[in-house]
Amino acid sequence: QSALTQPASVSGSPGQSITISCTGTTSDVAVYKYVSWYQQHPGKAPKLMIYDDNKRPSGVSERFSGSKSGSTASLTISGLQAEDEADYYCKSYTSTDTLVVFGGGTKLTVL
Amino acid sequence: EVQLLESGGKLVQRGGSLRLSCVASGFTFNTYAMTWVRQAPGKGLEWVATIIDSGGTTGNTFYADSLRGRFTISRDNSKNTLYLQMNSLRAEDTAVYYCASPGRQYDFLTGFDYWGRGTLVTVSS
Repeated sequence: QSALTQPASVSGSPGQSITISCTGTTSDVAVYKYVSWYQQHPGKAPKLMIYDDNKRPSGVSERFSGSKSGSTASLTISGLQAEDEADYYCKSYTSTDTLVVFGGGTKLTVL
Repeated sequence: EVQLLESGGKLVQRGGSLRLSCVASGFTFNTYAMTWVRQAPGKGLEWVATIIDSGGTTGNTFYADSLRGRFTISRDNSKNTLYLQMNSLRAEDTAVYYCASPGRQYDFLTGFDYWGRGTLVTVSS
């Protein structure tokens, strides 16, 4: 059981927008601005897409954005493209004995 | 250009030990926290351990609860190398092991900007 809860799958058509949720607790997502999101294509290493809740690293498309409300963080991808089809993981700092927690991952299918 | 290159993964028997290495280049290694993340076949990402340099090879270390006591993270700043010593290996430790680092110095809470390609550890039962 992952510490952060993500939907197993989401889908959308090219050009549409989708949102992936990441639900945590008052020990992590709700109280710290350290949620990050990763994209992973099959057989590849993860790639950072969003850090510190809503910051985008240099080189990441503006179509990717992060937000948070209470204990739930969200990754929104606008203008879906075929190359966005991948697995997405959220991660957060946690004040429990464990420093870092990941979500279970969400498979995005572009129809 | 930042590069992280893992090595040391192989087939090992249950109960055995293995040490993984990750050689870093392209940044000031001794000012960055370093982390190991693993991914079992067909499964999600799992945080393993993080080391924050405090001037020595051990630094401050943090572990996933389920791995504490069996795995040890360390670093040699003179060699720009991160290590993961894994003991009493179990079948469930079979995974690709990635090393990762943030893009900002002295920040161990933020995202992991850089990842290696990973090294595969297979534990036979």
